[in-house]
Parts: sequence; structure tokens; C-alpha cells
Amino acid sequence: DTEVTQTPKHLVMGMTNKKSLKCEQHMGHRAMYWYKQKAKKPPELMFVYSYEKLSINESVPSRFSPECPNSSLLNLHLHALQPEDSALYLCASSQDWAALGTDTQYFGPGTRLTVL
Amino acid sequence: AQKITQTQPGMFVQEKEAVTLDCTYDTSDPSYGLFWYKQPSSGEMIFLIYQGSYDQQNATEGRYSLNFQKARKSANLVISASQLGDSAMYFCAMREGQASYDKVIFGPGTSLSVIP
Repeated sequence: DTEVTQTPKHLVMGMTNKKSLKCEQHMGHRAMYWYKQKAKKPPELMFVYSYEKLSINESVPSRFSPECPNSSLLNLHLHALQPEDSALYLCASSQDWAALGTDTQYFGPGTRLTVL
Repeated sequence: AQKITQTQPGMFVQEKEAVTLDCTYDTSDPSYGLFWYKQPSSGEMIFLIYQGSYDQQNATEGRYSLNFQKARKSANLVISASQLGDSAMYFCAMREGQASYDKVIFGPGTSLSVIP
């Protein structure tokens, strides 16, 4: 069962709000990812967690704050966002990030975020 | 330099016909993985097929097959017997196997429309 779930599906927030995106997987994967995707563009990597430790931070602004409470859960905390942060936020998981070329990422359905 | 090239921004295919989506890649790493993902308008990125650089045979998954030509650095996706539900964006992606810092690199995508 290759299922990654994300909540909420849609989120509208003001620039002063604080909100969180949630991602969950029960495939026993040890790597989890956050991507940002603008319309008609490929996904852009934001963060990689491997074995619950932050492994990659792609110079993402501090108004995005990831958290990995355990190996199945990944959160993205949002604060003081800008309208240009409006996008589809995708979570993914994979067996083992260290497996490099053979490691397949499985994606969740995404959260469509609109910042007003 | 762009590592993944998808030269067809948009493609049309008649229902029940086969279609080939092009992908070329650039790497000097001898170990790498190639992936194809489908993204319908709903947003979810759906993993379709994987090809490893050392795999001797072309990968197949149901109606999807990957035409892997290593010397030409191409990894075209072939969809046989197209269905209306195949209408989506298709992303080719690569992960290199030996870089100490690496990530999945996505191509710009091809939008496929299946015509009844």
C-alpha cells in the first residue's frame, strides 16, 4: 500500500496567520520530503528528513518551519507567509534516502495553499 | 545546465492509440535512477515506472513501458492503448547515485491530452 496522506487539502490564510500542514505515511519509509510546486512547473524540493533528522534544507525562508515528530509524521509550520508562497505543497516519502539512485519517492495528494 | 529535458510541452493522442513521451538526461554518474510520474489536475504525483542505470531490460508496468537508450541518454515513456484518464502532466525525473548531496531532479513536464 503506497499511501501518503496530507491534510488539509486546501488552505487559505492571511499573511499574519500561523498554520500547519500535516503529512503521514505508514509504509515504514525512513525519508520524508516537502516540495513546493507552482502551476505548470515541476516540484521544487524544500526539505528532506532522513531517519527523523533534517538532512537537506534548500535555503527555504524561515517562515517555513519543518518538523518530524516521528518516522511516520511530517509537519510544515507556516508563519507570516507572502502571497507568492501560494502553491501546491507536496509531501513525499521513500524507503531510504541513502539508497540514492534506486530510492523511489511516493507522493501525497498535496495541499493547495492560498495566501491572501 | 538542465539535467532533464522534456522537449514536448504538450501532446495530443487519440484514445486507444499509443503515445511516446520524450525524456533526455545528462549525468556523468555511472549509477542513477530514472523515474516517471503522472500528475492529474487534482495535483497528486503518481509514481509510474522506474529504470535503473544498470538494468539490462527496459522497465514495464502494465500499459507503461520505458524505452531506455543509455548511450543516447534517453528514457522515453510509452503509454499503450491510451485512455481518457491518462490526460495529465507527466514528469521525467532522475536521481544520481553517488553524489554526497543529491536529490531527485525533475524535468519541466509534458502535458498529455487524450482525445475521445
